[in-house]
Amino acid sequence: GDSVTQTEGQVALSEEDFLTIHCNYSASGYPALFWYVQYPGEGPQFLFRASRDKEKGSSRGFEATYNKEATSFHLQKASVQESDSAVYYCALSDRDMGYKLTFGTGTSLLVDP
Amino acid sequence: EAAVTQSPRNKVTVTGGNVTLSCRQTNSHNYMYWYRQDTGHGLRLIHYSYGAGNLQIGDVPDGYKATRTTQEDFFLLLELASPSQTSLYFCASSDAGGDNYAEQFFGPGTRLTVL
Repeated sequence: GDSVTQTEGQVALSEEDFLTIHCNYSASGYPALFWYVQYPGEGPQFLFRASRDKEKGSSRGFEATYNKEATSFHLQKASVQESDSAVYYCALSDRDMGYKLTFGTGTSLLVDP
Repeated sequence: EAAVTQSPRNKVTVTGGNVTLSCRQTNSHNYMYWYRQDTGHGLRLIHYSYGAGNLQIGDVPDGYKATRTTQEDFFLLLELASPSQTSLYFCASSDAGGDNYAEQFFGPGTRLTVL
C-alpha cells in the first residue's frame, strides 16, 4: 500500500535558521502531496499541496516541490521563527480510496528564540 | 471558515465499555473521515464516508463501527472498547471530487482512555 516516510523525528533550530524536513513517498498511482501542521492541543491544519510533478506548493514562507522521479516532497523554510514550533506531517492523497490521507509519522520542530 | 466540532473532548471508559464519538461539520462537505493518532504512527484512517448513509472502510477498522446519519454528522462507535483503542481521535471533512484533491479540515480531537 501507499506510504510516507519522514526521516527526522525531531528538529531543533534557532530563529532565522534554514529548515529542511525530508519527505519521501511510495504510491502505486499518481497521488497529490500535502503538508499539514499541528500545534499543541489542536487538530492538523492544511499548509499546502502539490498535485503534479515539478509543482511547487507554498504557504506562510514554507515551500516544497513535487519530485516524481525522486518520490520526494521536502519541506523548506529560509528563516524559521519561534512561532513555527509545531509538528509537521507530510501526507499523500489517494483518489481511489476516497481521497484519504496517508500520513508520515511527523516531525517535531522546536525553534529556540 | 470551515468548522468541524467533536464531542466529547475527553472520555474515559473501561474495557468492554460502549463508546460513541460524535463529529459535526458545517462546511457542506461530502467526505468525512475518522482518524486515530498514536505516537510513532502519525494519523491512521479508521472509516470514511462520502455522504449520508454511506460508509467505507479505512486502514485500521478492526473494533470500530461508524455511521453517517446526515451530511453534517458522523459517528464512531466502539462497542467493546479495549485498552489498545486508547488514542487521540480526529474527525475531518473535505470537499473532494474528480481531480479536486481538496484539503481536509480537522476537528479538535477526542482523547479516549480505555482502562
